[in-house]
Formats: sequence, structure tokens, C-alpha cells
Amino acid sequence: EVQLVQSGPEVKKPGESLKISCQGSGYRFSSFWIGWVRQMPGKGLEWMGSIYPGDSDTRYSPSFQGQVTISVDKSMNTAFLQWSSLKASDTAMYYCARGSYDFWSGYSFWGQGTRVTVSS
Amino acid sequence: EIVLTQSPGTLSLSPGERATLSCRASQSVGSPFLAWYQQKPVQAPRLLIYGASSRATGIPDRFSGSGSGTNFTLTISRLEPEDFAVYYCQQYGRSPLTFGPGTKVEIK
Repeated sequence: EVQLVQSGPEVKKPGESLKISCQGSGYRFSSFWIGWVRQMPGKGLEWMGSIYPGDSDTRYSPSFQGQVTISVDKSMNTAFLQWSSLKASDTAMYYCARGSYDFWSGYSFWGQGTRVTVSS
Repeated sequence: EIVLTQSPGTLSLSPGERATLSCRASQSVGSPFLAWYQQKPVQAPRLLIYGASSRATGIPDRFSGSGSGTNFTLTISRLEPEDFAVYYCQQYGRSPLTFGPGTKVEIK
């Protein structure tokens, strides 16, 4: 069974750093793109970027380029999303999702989401 | 960037009725690389349709997708109580990948 398990909720202050994770199981982790999707409170879905674990090829939405870093540790079957300096506007639910071997695909499996709250 | 527009914003229907949701793209979506997702409160999205018209694994056949180019439709033939949710379209033919703003299907 394919599963994506994300790290738990986070409460941070503005300016702090954060790294959240997404661990895949039940499939060949290195062969499928992992995407990150933001959902701000009461709002829709926004694609942030994706990474191919096999070679760490990473692609970002222009809206998030330079704002976050997506990385992967193949040995742990885990993808990461990190911020160096959080803002209140980063408060959101963040989902990881599995695509296919091809970047140009929809997301057939989703993690449960990680809620990030940034407040002073 | 391809901008997706969904209509209506909210659809008020009764169980057993037919729901027709529209998704329009600002540019042609190649192949077509268009997906539909369902999201219920406090749940992650679930893939319903990919390639504009192919049902994902385990999706009931009351859900169907159609369209090409810039106009796409998700149809739910007979609404079941569990179908009341928010539906998003997504294009994955050009980067950045983009989602529509969603259509909420609510109980009338």
C-alpha cells in the first residue's frame, strides 16, 4: 500500500527556520516525483514545487522560488520542505503528494498534511 | 502561467441530482494534462480524474470527465451524500502546475 506520512504540526515565531518531512512507503520512492502543495486557511490549493528523488531534479513555482527549499534523502525515503525565515503569511496546511515517473502528472497519493502556524 | 477558472463557485443540489462542474484554462492544456480532485473538510485532496477523462483507481463510475483544449467538465451523474465537497481542477501540462479556485458542491 502506497503511503505518504508527513511530520506533525508546527507552531513557530516569525523569523524562525523550519523543515517538515514526508516519508514514502509501499513503492519505489526514488522513481516517483514528490510535489508540495500549500493550502492557506479557507483557501485553495497552490503548487509549490516538486522533486524527483532519483536524481534530486527540483522544480519550483515562480511564486515560491527562493522562498522555500525542497530536498530529499533517498536513504530515508523522505522528502523535505524548509524555510530559513518564516513569515506569518506562511501559516497554512502543507501537503506532499506523489506523482509519477514523469514530472507531467497529477498527484494520485497524498500525505495527511502538516499544519504550520507562524505567530508571534 | 496557465490560469484555471472554475464555475460555478458554489453548486447547491440535492442527493440524486446531476452535478456539472466547469474548468476553463487561459491557454490550451496539452495532451490533455488535466486532473480533478475532491477535497472534504479536514482531509487531503483525492484524485478523481486524470488525463481529462480517465478515472483514478477506485473512483465510482458516477464521476466522469470530459473536454480538451481550454474547456473541461467534471460530471457527477447522481450525487451521493458523500459527494458533497470541494472540487479542484489542475493542469499539469505546463510549469508552473496550477489549480483552479475550486467549486463547492453543497446540499440544497
